[in-house]
Amino acid sequence: ETGVTQTPRHLVMGMTNKKSLKCEQHLGHNAMYWYKQSAKKPLELMFVYSLEERVENNSVPSRFSPECPNSSHLFLHLHTLQPEDSALYLCASSQSVGGSYEQYFGPGTRLTVT
Amino acid sequence: ELKVEQNPLFLSMQEGKNYTIYCNYSTTSDRLYWYRQDPGKSLESLFVLLSNGAVKQEGRLMASLDTKARLSTLHITAAVHDLSATYFCAVDTGTYKYIFGTGTRLKVLA
Repeated sequence: ETGVTQTPRHLVMGMTNKKSLKCEQHLGHNAMYWYKQSAKKPLELMFVYSLEERVENNSVPSRFSPECPNSSHLFLHLHTLQPEDSALYLCASSQSVGGSYEQYFGPGTRLTVT
Repeated sequence: ELKVEQNPLFLSMQEGKNYTIYCNYSTTSDRLYWYRQDPGKSLESLFVLLSNGAVKQEGRLMASLDTKARLSTLHITAAVHDLSATYFCAVDTGTYKYIFGTGTRLKVLA
């Protein structure tokens, strides 16, 4: 266990649904990240939060909406998704942004959009 | 645009053999990370390389970093089946962005 948990682990949703992914880290880290992992593509950074402030929005469509209420929790709100959004969504945390801090990953949420 | 390329993308090898995975990147960086991912699982940190010439070893795996060549290698010695997984390198761009390589899927045959 890395100290980063994600729920749910699997999610199937229709294109008109609204759902949320949750991430929690128990490491006392100050930075949290959302990544998307699609088949046959490198991991794509979606969002970065540092001390609850968003510092990166990597050209992600507005149907993905992140929320970071405190440094231990991170959400990804989903609405009106497309089938191509089906992927593994990984949350990660690190001690801080910048510097030489490795990132610790959660187990991921396998999302299927029907 | 920073590119991180790994090769090979797929590697099938016999137990007991040695092999090297290569990670090339296109911009200056002196921080590079190696991760392992088992099927259906998340990424597990293997090595953190923070300077030119850094070498780290853990069991049958050894990673090195040559920042001048913009190259990192992950060497596998006497492979065993348990090493079957996908291996990723990730380059730290100096801010907060990791750029991940495409991954190398390793299959060790008994």
